[in-house]
Amino acid sequence: ELKVEQNPLFLSMQEGKNYTIYCNYSTTSDRLYWYRQDPGKSLESLFVLLSNGAVKQEGRLMASLDTKARLSTLHITAAVHDLSATYFCAVALDTSGTYKYIFGTGTRLKVLA
Amino acid sequence: IAGITQAPTSQILAAGRRMTLRCTQDMRHNAMYWYRQDLGLGLRLIHYSNTAGTTGKGEVPDGYSVSRANTDDFPLTLASAVPSQTSVYFCASSLEDRAGHNEQFFGPGTRLTVL
Repeated sequence: ELKVEQNPLFLSMQEGKNYTIYCNYSTTSDRLYWYRQDPGKSLESLFVLLSNGAVKQEGRLMASLDTKARLSTLHITAAVHDLSATYFCAVALDTSGTYKYIFGTGTRLKVLA
Repeated sequence: IAGITQAPTSQILAAGRRMTLRCTQDMRHNAMYWYRQDLGLGLRLIHYSNTAGTTGKGEVPDGYSVSRANTDDFPLTLASAVPSQTSVYFCASSLEDRAGHNEQFFGPGTRLTVL
């Protein structure tokens, strides 16, 4: 059974600081996704990581994937208040040609001014 | 329609009643999914469909059924609602292609309360 764990679950940080959110998963997969969710809203796709060593950056966010360690990171550089949201990672599990997506429990980020 | 829509936006339902949550996408995505989101548990997959005419069970399928008669629609039915099915339900779709990156696109969600 694929398990996806994120940490920390809650993160309160000052504007201008850097921090990293971690996503560990238990079964081999080469597809990992990061999503953002604002309170009361739906999920928005941030990054798609499809191979070992993949790194993608958008603004103050950078995501990476290490399939050997079964670990993805979401790094926040010089945080700003607008980044306050809940961030989810999701791992794709190939079951006989069908992909199921298992989500982590999310990291609630609050950036303090 | 632009993207993926869900109806209703919210619903309060008496236990034991039957309820169908609707989901429609106009992106011609072959794969569609239903998730429920509960505080502290993230999103859990209920059912999915890789293509019209096929469906599969996710992590928490009990008490729910789905059908996929065509590409665009993927309704989720609660045959006899129970209070533990109180949750926010998200429908999602993706273009499943081994050569592509098939990110999922999510609908706005349906907030369901079962009393």
